[in-house]
Order: sequence, then structure tokens, then C-alpha cells
Amino acid sequence: NAGVMQNPRHLVRRRGQEARLRCSPMKGHSHVYWYRQLPEEGLKFMVYLQKENIIDESGMPKERFSAEFPKEGPSILRIQQVVRGDSAAYFCASSPRTANYGYTFGSGTRLTVV
Amino acid sequence: KQEVTQIPAALSVPEGENLVLNCSFTDSAIYNLQWFRQDPGKGLTSLLLIQSSQREQTSGRLNASLDKSSGRSTLYIAASQPGDSATYLCAVEGGGADGLTFGKGTHLIIQP
Repeated sequence: NAGVMQNPRHLVRRRGQEARLRCSPMKGHSHVYWYRQLPEEGLKFMVYLQKENIIDESGMPKERFSAEFPKEGPSILRIQQVVRGDSAAYFCASSPRTANYGYTFGSGTRLTVV
Repeated sequence: KQEVTQIPAALSVPEGENLVLNCSFTDSAIYNLQWFRQDPGKGLTSLLLIQSSQREQTSGRLNASLDKSSGRSTLYIAASQPGDSATYLCAVEGGGADGLTFGKGTHLIIQP
């Protein structure tokens, strides 16, 4: 089991471009969570998805940010028209969501907006 | 709204010492509490998961306790080693929020 796979590990975008971050959950995990870690701050919940459904997006900015978890393929966090303030580490976690098995995190994508 | 606080924010101790990291949370209606380790520029490694019905969990030199009613958890590290240097994060599931609510972490340095 390869664990939670995130790519790319590092992503550099110019202001105004789009950023696409990918996350493949652990095998057997159908619940995916995205978190953002800003410099000197804790991890903040962004969005919770199951296959083809957004369950809770209360932590995600209303504009420019979107997330999906299609029936086939990885979960995608998409940031349109990036700004300098979007520079952060974005982490994905997956869970089987049964019997409190806890969460497994990926290594993260570090986004730098220049 | 669930809030998680970790004390101290930073800690530096000589190698070999036993130490305690503290975590408190405001809403005791949690499903579980999880301790993670994060090395600089890296992802999160799960250390211990304590279910809400449990009082403690142990793994090697690590012991985590949970007092759900008072909203507190401690992570005890025995015989600390330089390789233990990292940021330790406490996170709770439940308390009115989806996913995990994290504290800001304790940045630990073990001096050789």
C-alpha cells in the first residue's frame, strides 16, 4: 500500500495562473480531506469529499477554490487565478471513515506563487 | 467551534530527558484524538490514535493520555533522542467539525 500520494510535491505558479493539486487516497479509503498550512500557522481544514460528492466545504474560500473527487482518478484541489497569499503547503488526508481508524496524510504539495 | 491549544509552543531539552507535551480542546464531544509528528518541509506522520473511550495509548517510548471530560491530552516522550526533534501536532476529530481540528504544534528540539 503506497499510502496517500500527492503530486506535485512542489509547484510554482505566477500570479493569475491556475494551480491543480492531486491526491490519491490509500487503497480502501473513500473519504478525502484537504488541509492548508500557512507559514507559522496550524493546519486548517478546507474540504471533505467522498466519491463524486462534496460533504463539507466550509473551510474553503468561496472564490477561486474548488475541489472534486471523481468516480475514477484522484481528488483534485483547483485554485484559479492564484495570488501570493495562496502560497502554502496543501495536505491531503484519507480515512476509511469506519470505527475511528484515524487519518493518513500525504507528503503535501508546497505551492509558491511568484 | 472546536479549538485546540498546545503548550508549550516550543521546547528545547538535553538528550535523555523525559518530557511532556500538552494539548487541550474546548469541546469534549470528540470521537478520537490523534498525535502527529511533522519534520521540516515534510508531511505528517501519525504517532498515536486514542479513541474517545480510551484513556491512553503507548508506542515504544511514546505514551499518550486522554482525559475527555476535562478536554486534555498529554504526550509523554521517554528518554528523548536528537531524532525526536520535530513539530508535534495534536488533532481531534468531532466536537462539531468535519475532519480534524489541529493545534498549532509544539516545536521540539533535543540537544545532543
